[in-house]
Amino acid sequence: AQKITQTQPGMFVQEKEAVTLDCTYDTSDQSYGLFWYKQPSSGEMIFLIYQGSYDEQNATEGRYSLNFQKARKSANLVISASQLGDSAMYFCAMREGAGTASKLTFGTGTRLQVTL
Amino acid sequence: DAGVIQSPRHEVTEMGQEVTLRCKPISGHNSLFWYRQTMMRGLELLIYFNNNVPIDDSGMPEDRFSAKMPNASFSTLKIQPSEPRDSAVYFCASRRFLLSGNTIYFGEGSWLTVV
Repeated sequence: AQKITQTQPGMFVQEKEAVTLDCTYDTSDQSYGLFWYKQPSSGEMIFLIYQGSYDEQNATEGRYSLNFQKARKSANLVISASQLGDSAMYFCAMREGAGTASKLTFGTGTRLQVTL
Repeated sequence: DAGVIQSPRHEVTEMGQEVTLRCKPISGHNSLFWYRQTMMRGLELLIYFNNNVPIDDSGMPEDRFSAKMPNASFSTLKIQPSEPRDSAVYFCASRRFLLSGNTIYFGEGSWLTVV
């Protein structure tokens, strides 16, 4: 079974608009973390935002916010005021557990295209 | 601070040749990961180390792949002999355990093409 599901293979958004990229996860752990990474066409993986399972408030980093709904097991990324430079692949990832054996599992990604 | 440094950035090699990918993690980080990214399989974890010790190598596809971490500032991923299906982007990543939710930071990747 998929641990991280990103159901949107591709999304379009107009410049300056907000966009939500969906991510659902599956885990039986009580302690886990959720991450979003951006991969532009140049290929590098850029860390965007992190949400811990015990964090009561949604994480925010500049124009990025993570809409964390624990009961629904969703961790959607919201990008406000989209810019052309936001065009990229976006990956949701989950860290299960808190020990030294914890590792990241990635979703299949969503390709975001920002248009004029 | 310098990020995760990988070399080479790009490599084209012939089938059967040995390939060695190198990684220098972020200074002070104590975990290191090797991931492989392909169109078909997405991002796959190959192996990771904590404090230079391999913890989980269950993602290493076969015996042709090996990874070492002789010290805290250097790791290698070796493929011998290489095959065309090994063509992929290989990412090295590191983290400092218990810092920032165990966030993993990636290098820029090594783009491998085996012909």
